[in-house]
Formats: sequence, structure tokens, C-alpha cells
Amino acid sequence: DVKVTQSSRYLVKRTGEKVFLECVQDMDHENMFWYRQDPGLGLRLIYFSYDVKMKEKGDIPEGYSVSREKKERFSLILESASTNQTSMYLCASNTGSGGYTFGSGTRLTIV
Amino acid sequence: GQQLNQSPQSMFIQEGEDVSMNCTSSSIFNTWLWYKQDPGEGPVLLIALYKAGELTSNGRLTAQFGITRKDSFLNISASIPSDVGIYFCAGPSLIQGAQKLVFGQGTRLTINP
Repeated sequence: DVKVTQSSRYLVKRTGEKVFLECVQDMDHENMFWYRQDPGLGLRLIYFSYDVKMKEKGDIPEGYSVSREKKERFSLILESASTNQTSMYLCASNTGSGGYTFGSGTRLTIV
Repeated sequence: GQQLNQSPQSMFIQEGEDVSMNCTSSSIFNTWLWYKQDPGEGPVLLIALYKAGELTSNGRLTAQFGITRKDSFLNISASIPSDVGIYFCAGPSLIQGAQKLVFGQGTRLTINP
């Protein structure tokens, strides 16, 4: 069964910490995405990548960066975590114009 | 950028009732997608619509692609407890060869047994 795997389901970090969220897909997909999900706001795109070492800003990139050193792995980095980054983070991947496959999400709490 | 407005934001219904939700956009989409997110999981694709006016069913779910290409509807008939979750509409934007999905705000469905 094809999968997008996010390394942590739940994470609690302190304000000011550098936080890494990892995502791995086993479908050889070119495109990978990071969204955050907040009540009443739906899913908002933070960053996406359409190839190794390539990255593009989404709608809300401020306070985040990403890394894609290998095709199967797309990392989201919170450079200096703040409480307003407490959220559910969802990783997804697809190929070409195909449908997205989502991971199960990481619920991140910044204290 | 493109935005999708989804309504209602939440629904509280009795088991067995039918459910309707819709999604509108200020711009045209060539594809409409409906996803469902179970509690604690990522969204999963339910139905994809590719043609204006198209009506597509998946079991008790029926979705329609509006004629104007600016709206879509999802109906669930005879709801059951496992229908609980958040339903999202989505439409694709093509940016530099990558299909980026734009999502609605979601409709949270709660069912009373």
C-alpha cells in the first residue's frame, strides 16, 4: 500500500526552538507539499517542491523553511518556533496532475 | 489568489438524515475534488469531477460540478456514524508544472446516533 509517512503524530516544543517535521513518501512522486490545518481556515499551503532541491513558497511561508535533499523526503523547518505555529501539519505528494496522497498529520504544540 | 468558500462550516444531524454541502469560487476551476478527513487522519479523496455539469456518485455520496465551473455540491444520503469527519472541497492550480490544490475551509459533520 502506497504511503506518505510523517515521523511524529504529536509533538510538543518550546518557543524559540528549531523544529523539524519529516515526511517520507514511497511512491516516487515528484511533487511534495506541506499544509497547515487550523479550524475554520481549512488547509493552507506553506511550501511545496516539484523536484529534488527545488522549493516554492505557498500561501503562508513566513516563519518556515523546507529541505528536499532526496526525492522521497520533504522536511518542514520552523526556524524559531512561536505559539502561533501551534497547528496540525499535513504532508502530501503527487505526480504530475494526479491526486494527492496525504500523511496522517503531525499535531504540533508550541509552549 | 484563488479561494474556495465552503458552507456550512459545521453540521449536527441525526443518523439517517441526508447531508448537503457546497463550495463556491470567485474563479473558474476545471476540476473539483472532494476529500474526507477522519478524526486523527489525513484527508482522503472521495470524488473527483472533471466536467462542468457532471454528476458523480460513490456509494451514498453524490457530487456535482456546477455549470458555471465556479461551484460544486456534495450530498450524502442516509448518513451513518462513520460519515463523521471533516469534508473539504478542493480545486487545482497549476504552478510551474506542479498541481497545487486550493482547499475550502471544511465542513465538520457530527452525527447523533
